[in-house]
Order: sequence, then structure tokens, then C-alpha cells
Amino acid sequence: QKEVEQDPGPLSVPEGAIVSLNCTYSNSAFQYFMWYRQYSRKGPELLMYTYSSGNKEDGRFTAQVDKSSKYISLFIRDSQPSDSATYLCAMRGDSNYQLIWGAGTKLIIKP
Amino acid sequence: KAGVTQTPRYLIKTRGQQVTLSCSPISGHRSVSWYQQTPGQGLQFLFEYFSETQRNKGNFPGRFSGRQFSNSRSEMNVSTLELGDSALYLCASSLRTGKMNTEAFFGQGTRLTVV
Repeated sequence: QKEVEQDPGPLSVPEGAIVSLNCTYSNSAFQYFMWYRQYSRKGPELLMYTYSSGNKEDGRFTAQVDKSSKYISLFIRDSQPSDSATYLCAMRGDSNYQLIWGAGTKLIIKP
Repeated sequence: KAGVTQTPRYLIKTRGQQVTLSCSPISGHRSVSWYQQTPGQGLQFLFEYFSETQRNKGNFPGRFSGRQFSNSRSEMNVSTLELGDSALYLCASSLRTGKMNTEAFFGQGTRLTVV
């Protein structure tokens, strides 16, 4: 079993829909959680960064961490075709700086 | 502020050859990590360098090696190339001050094709 599980998709939704992307993890020591967006043939770019549990909002994006369930989510409101990309989750613990990555979910927003 | 710069962007090599990839981190960032990305395996961690020392290493054979210079620039070397080494090689830098500022910022990657 992988430490971080993420459905590779693809996830296809119509423009304007609310998108929910998720990762589950097994290591209860993880404290730092990140979401990255990767467009085709580009490097990943950091979207959201949260520490421990709770929600964080940035424009149309909301990151949510539920440590009791070992589950993190990224919500995208009013989705746009330009949001079509692969979304990767990454996380790490307090004492180890190495990020552990999900496989990435390919998201397609249909106009 | 300039981002992470990787050179070259594209590379075609023959089996058995060796290759060196270069990464210049964001100014002030002392940590550089290397990743291999393939469609089947996703993002695989190769190694991390911090202050010229390798701090973490992924599960790759010894053909994959790296180093970091005093200006934080890093190079990755792959010897005796195999067809399976064809991938996008990504470099990420982070500030890494204590436990904080460990978010990774990626370059555009070097696409290596082994024929």
C-alpha cells in the first residue's frame, strides 16, 4: 500500500461545476500538506499549502485537511477550462523534509 | 525574482551514454531536490541536496548521482543510460529554514529521451 493514495482519474466535469479532488494517507505523522497543479509539459506549481488540520481558502480554491480521517481535499469553485491540468497532493512530517507525493489526478473541465 | 532554471530543456541520448542535467534554484534557496516523472510511475523522488550535502535519497540505482555546489546550483548525472530512463526530470528548490519554508518550487524540467 502506498503512503499517499490519489485517484489518477481522469475526472471530467462541465465548466462552472464545483470540483473536489482528494488524497488519503496512512502516516499519522504527516503535518504539512500541499497541492500542486501541473499543466502538460510543464513543472508542477504550488497552489495551496496548509499545516495540520483545518481549511484554507485562496480565491476559487479551498484546501481542507482532516487528520482524524487522514484525508485531504482540494475544492475548486466555478471551474474554468484553464483549470484543466493534473493536480498532485504532497505531504510530509515534522522531522523528515522529504515530500511524499500522490500519483496526481487528471482534471478536464469541458466548456 | 527568477524561478528555478533547468538546462537543457530537451535531450536525446543513446543507450549506454551518460548525461548531466543542471538546475539553478531560486536565489537564496539552499535545498534542491530531483524527481523523475513518467506517465506510468508518476513523480519519483531521486535525491535532495542541502548545503552541498545529500540529505535524502530515493530508491534509484547508483547510476543516478548528483551534487550541489557552493552557490546551491545542482547537477544530476545518469550513467550507462537505459531506455527506461526516458522521462521528465524535474528539479525543485526550497528555502528550508528550520522546519518551515519547505514548499518546493519546480523548474520546467528536462525531457530526456533515450534511444
